[in-house]
Amino acid sequence: DGGITQSPKYLFRKEGQNVTLSCEQNLNHDAMYWYRQDPGQGLRLIYYSQIVNDFQKGDIAEGYSVSREKKESFPLTVTSAQKNPTAFYLCASSIRTGSYGYTFGSGTRLTVV
Amino acid sequence: DAKTTQPNSMESNEEEPVHLPCNHSTISGTDYIHWYRQLPSQGPEYVIHGLTSNVNNRMASLAIAEDRKSSTLILHRATLRDAAVYYCILRDGGGNYGGSQGNLIFGKGTKLSVKP
Repeated sequence: DGGITQSPKYLFRKEGQNVTLSCEQNLNHDAMYWYRQDPGQGLRLIYYSQIVNDFQKGDIAEGYSVSREKKESFPLTVTSAQKNPTAFYLCASSIRTGSYGYTFGSGTRLTVV
Repeated sequence: DAKTTQPNSMESNEEEPVHLPCNHSTISGTDYIHWYRQLPSQGPEYVIHGLTSNVNNRMASLAIAEDRKSSTLILHRATLRDAAVYYCILRDGGGNYGGSQGNLIFGKGTKLSVKP
């Protein structure tokens, strides 16, 4: 079955370390997205990519970086510059931008220890 | 970006219909109305979307006001598994994709509780 796979499900990071969250989709979708969710809050857009080798900053891109070398993959790196990285991170994809619906992964819960 | 307003929380009894309202008075002509729901510790799940006409699918129905300034998500018979946060979101389908336009912007949604 097609879908989005995020790994790992839980991740612990020491302060000052970079960490990379994986997101893979086999839906043949052009567009991919990363969101961050804090407890009791809605989702906030970090980065998005409309096509391979292209990506754009969302509303809260500071302290994060992404790459889109393959259509299927859109990894997110949380750098040491991100001041408060503990959160639930969600990856999504859509056929392309526009009116199309999103498919979400099951998320990665990152905790800084 | 056009915004939506939803109640923070609602309660329903199991096997009864649920009407979840959403106001979007600044909606533009090219904005689609999307609904997603999120169960605890999971990613959001697409429920339904529409532009002008009412829409039905296996999960729910979407009733859109004639002036498009409000909409209602209808769950015909609530089950315990429908307890979730429901998000009403406007999405520009008009091709204006500069910046973050055209992306889904999530508010806090409505937390639906279902009582047995």
